[in-house]
Amino acid sequence: GDSVTQMEGPVTLSEEAFLTINCTYTATGYPSLFWYVQYPGEGLQLLLKATKADDKGSNKGFEATYRKETTSFHLEKGSVQVSDSAVYFCALTIYNNNDMRFGAGTRLTVKP
Amino acid sequence: NAGVTQTPKFQVLKTGQSMTLQCAQDMNHNSMYWYRQDPGMGLRLIYYSASEGTTDKGEVPNGYNVSRLNKREFSLRLESAAPSQTSVYFCASSGVLVTNNYGYTFGSGTRLTVV
Repeated sequence: GDSVTQMEGPVTLSEEAFLTINCTYTATGYPSLFWYVQYPGEGLQLLLKATKADDKGSNKGFEATYRKETTSFHLEKGSVQVSDSAVYFCALTIYNNNDMRFGAGTRLTVKP
Repeated sequence: NAGVTQTPKFQVLKTGQSMTLQCAQDMNHNSMYWYRQDPGMGLRLIYYSASEGTTDKGEVPNGYNVSRLNKREFSLRLESAAPSQTSVYFCASSGVLVTNNYGYTFGSGTRLTVV
């Protein structure tokens, strides 16, 4: 079935370090791909999205490129801040499907 | 503030008790969803409602029922709570039936413990 696999956490980085969180997917159709962020005690918030191959989603310094050839949607940020500490979820939906599938989440901690 | 509102935020139940989790959105969204979040498993869909008057099962519907009361409200009911239903529950909404181009708006969650 359709699914998303994320790199396991937790990930701990120093401020201003480069961040990569890997995400790969399995889908029978042509999915749209999303990254969500969850801050402590809150619900998930949409961070960025890409709806077709080679699209790049970006927001708040985060980027992810939809790679059909490698079925990947890795999240990157060039210089993380303490305020980026959160849990990050990769997700996908298939056209005309009301089920958004989420990865297990990756906890990021950024230290000053 | 516009968004998705869930109540209660915390709840402790004894095994066998029943309760209803409430969810309301004020964004005029057609679709609403209930997810549960468990450690290491991400979010799993319990039920969804593509539009007012319709509901469908998701990945993990057993032990739950839902009601789409009107366009704004979508409730989740546990008829006889079990310890396996200890989880964090999230309600979400989406503006269109076809979700491939739109993300979801999530509520802040209900942390439920069944003892």
